[in-house]
Amino acid sequence: SQTIHQWPATLVQPVGSPLSLECTVEGTSNPNLYWYRQAAGRGLQLLFYSVGIGQISSEVPQNLSASRPQDRQFILSSKKLLLSDSGFYLCAWSVKSYYEQYFGPGTRLTVT
Amino acid sequence: GQSLEQPSEVTAVEGAIVQINCTYQTSGFYGLSWYQQHDGGAPTFLSYNALDGLEETGRFSSFLSRSDSYGYLLLQELQMKDSASYFCAVADSWGKLQFGAGTQVVVTP
Repeated sequence: SQTIHQWPATLVQPVGSPLSLECTVEGTSNPNLYWYRQAAGRGLQLLFYSVGIGQISSEVPQNLSASRPQDRQFILSSKKLLLSDSGFYLCAWSVKSYYEQYFGPGTRLTVT
Repeated sequence: GQSLEQPSEVTAVEGAIVQINCTYQTSGFYGLSWYQQHDGGAPTFLSYNALDGLEETGRFSSFLSRSDSYGYLLLQELQMKDSASYFCAVADSWGKLQFGAGTQVVVTP
């Protein structure tokens, strides 16, 4: 069966520090991968999605970037965090049907 | 641009029926998905409608009217474990989901 891993679960980082969040998927090949951010009490905002290795589409201009160095690995990064980067970051995958996405447990990021 | 509207909160008692409406304005509409998210947890997929009509999955049903840009999620025989946030999401023709702000369903004994 397919599983998705995200780490860390929680993170507290000072403003201006770098960020690296990792997501890996097991049990499936060539998935579509997504990074979302969710502010408290809000919906999910799509940040990046990838249909294959090295193929990244950015949805929102920001100081974040994403990379997909391997088929089932998706990384979210920032060189310098802003206070507004705080939120719940979720990685998701889909295979045949992009409307049916499976989410990882998420990383709760607090920028202080 | 795209926009989705759904109520912010709905309260109901155990055993009742709840309907969560979702209206959308979007270009490149492909279908409407519904997700459930418990407090602090990850969203989980519930249902998807690409065509007009009702889709039933156990106690949950989802409806779509493309001509009215409207859909709803129906929760029947409410249980305490149904207390969660429910999101409608437009699936566009570019392979992406646009999520609404979510409806918090509170089930009381």
